[in-house]
Amino acid sequence: GAVVSQHPSWVICKSGTSVKIECRSLDFQATTMFWYRQFPKQSLMLMATSNEGSKATYEQGVEKDKFLINHASLTLSTLTVTSAHPEDSSFYICSARDRTNYGYTFGSGTRLTVV
Amino acid sequence: QQQVKQSPQSLIVQKGGISIINCAYENTAFDYFPWYQQFPGKGPALLIAIRPDVSEKKEGRFTISFNKSAKQFSLHIMDSQPGDSATYFCAASMRSGGFKTIFGAGTRLFVKA
Repeated sequence: GAVVSQHPSWVICKSGTSVKIECRSLDFQATTMFWYRQFPKQSLMLMATSNEGSKATYEQGVEKDKFLINHASLTLSTLTVTSAHPEDSSFYICSARDRTNYGYTFGSGTRLTVV
Repeated sequence: QQQVKQSPQSLIVQKGGISIINCAYENTAFDYFPWYQQFPGKGPALLIAIRPDVSEKKEGRFTISFNKSAKQFSLHIMDSQPGDSATYFCAASMRSGGFKTIFGAGTRLFVKA
């Protein structure tokens, strides 16, 4: 089945630094990838839609200059949290759509802690 | 219009019992309704999904019932097991919306041994 690899699984960084999270589709090509944020015991909130070769589409209220998304190839999308602050601490999850069908596969998530 | 409402928020079921989680949507443009299972610290995993032209889909112990006229769908877990204890999310997506998925609030299921 389709596999999405997300790295790192957890990261701790200092306030003011930037963190990059990678999302790779391992055995399929993903024209579209999605980035979600999840707070403890809450649902997944869509942050942005990442399309290969074009600019990401951000949901309302998501700062595009703070959450930089790059989808340079059909198998890789990256989310960079710039100038991270403690309030950015969260669980970030990517998902990729196998373009042969509707199916979505999620990565295992990245736990970001900003201290 | 874009919301997916899910209930209950939490559910406790005895081992061997039936777990039922309900969801409702407003936007009739949604054309794909998946259910995801999430364990703590992990990403969601697709459990089962249905399209609106089908009223029921069964895979093993998991069944989706879909009522298009009522704009409701539900997940039934038969013979619930302690290993089923997780958070379940219903979701909806549409081709015209770029396939982005809208998630329900989630249901925390606990199956008592």
